Amino acid sequence: DTAVSQTPKYLVTQMGNDKSIKCEQNLGHDTMYWYKQDSKKFLKIMFSYNNKELIINETVPNRFSPKSPDKAHLNLHINSLELGDSAVYFCASSQTGLYTDTQYFGPGTRLTVL
Amino acid sequence: AQSVTQPDIHITVSEGASLELRCNYSYGATPYLFWYVQSPGQGLQLLLKYFSGDTLVQGIKGFEAEFKRSQSSFNLRKPSVHWSDAAEYFCAVGGQAGTALIFGKGTTLSVSS
Repeated sequence: DTAVSQTPKYLVTQMGNDKSIKCEQNLGHDTMYWYKQDSKKFLKIMFSYNNKELIINETVPNRFSPKSPDKAHLNLHINSLELGDSAVYFCASSQTGLYTDTQYFGPGTRLTVL
Repeated sequence: AQSVTQPDIHITVSEGASLELRCNYSYGATPYLFWYVQSPGQGLQLLLKYFSGDTLVQGIKGFEAEFKRSQSSFNLRKPSVHWSDAAEYFCAVGGQAGTALIFGKGTTLSVSS
């Protein structure tokens, strides 16, 4: 069984559209994350949730809204997509949310905005 | 502010040769340091991490890293590289509860036969 899964793997869409990326972890972890990896492979945290509560919210446009229906799921909804949103988005999870925890990453979702 | 620098963007090593990937960090207190590997089309996988104690840390896949406080470095090494080691390698630093890991920009490793 995949520990951290994301759907879809690829997402191609037009500017202005709204899209969602789903993430699920079956590790029983309390904390989940969304990272953005740009075209230069630079990886940066976007959000972090611990037991469905937002604990990290980096400087991300309001068009990005994470939603955690339960601690095994963390979805990312993006409104009014822009060209600059094209990137690979990674979901991750960790046991407690302490920075000392190992973070387990999903395979990524490659978003292309045309 | 915390930061991580990986000075080498791309390194090519012959199969069987030794490898060292450099990582320098900037952090005011005791850093918590990580190396992750990203294979093509995959997510990141933890290779090893350092919190305290022995400054030479062993990880998976035959990798090790040495923490040198005086040099603010945490270089990754492997004595003999295999073709399957070709990937992107990320160094990361974390230091405070409630803060996220800060990743370096990565080093692409190519392995030649």
